[in-house]
Amino acid sequence: AQKITQTQPGMFVQEKEAVTLDCTYDTSDPSYGLFWYKQPSSGEMIFLIYQGSYDQQNATEGRYSLNFQKARKSANLVISASQLGDSAMYFCAMSTGRRALTFGSGTRLQVQP
Amino acid sequence: DVKVTQSSRYLVKRTGEKVFLECVQDMDHENMFWYRQDPGLGLRLIYFSYDVKMKEKGDIPEGYSVSREKKERFSLILESASTNQTSMYLCASSSRSPRRGNTIYFGEGSWLTVV
Repeated sequence: AQKITQTQPGMFVQEKEAVTLDCTYDTSDPSYGLFWYKQPSSGEMIFLIYQGSYDQQNATEGRYSLNFQKARKSANLVISASQLGDSAMYFCAMSTGRRALTFGSGTRLQVQP
Repeated sequence: DVKVTQSSRYLVKRTGEKVFLECVQDMDHENMFWYRQDPGLGLRLIYFSYDVKMKEKGDIPEGYSVSREKKERFSLILESASTNQTSMYLCASSSRSPRRGNTIYFGEGSWLTVV
């Protein structure tokens, strides 16, 4: 069975600082994908970044980067230069051959001015 | 612009009522999903469908059923609503292999309150 664990229910960060959101995963499938989504208070799910299990390099998308450590089964999201608009829920998710995403419990990030 | 549309944003229903949540996508996607989201639990998969008239149970199918008569439409049915089904429900769709990039699209969510 697949499992995603996010151990930080809430995080605070000062504006313009970097923040790391933790995510660990468990799967026996050698081929999988890891996703991060942002959910503002409006409820929409916004895709941020993707990492494939066979990708050699860590994924980056603008201010978002994914610190992928395969041996440790971790896929932490790093947000550089935090902005007030980054305040939201963040979900880590995994896909395997089952085709449906398995989500973690989420981390609520609050960016303080 | 790609779109997943959920028919109702906010619903209030009575215990025992039959509830239909409708979802339509315009991207010709094969896969469609229903999740429910609860604080501290994240998103949990209720059912998904990988083709018309095909469905598979997710992690929490009890108390729910689904219908997919047309490729673009996936309905979630609560046969007899109960208060513990008060939640936000998210529909999503994807191409056959949601392995890379932004290939999974979500609707805006339906907030259901059962009283």
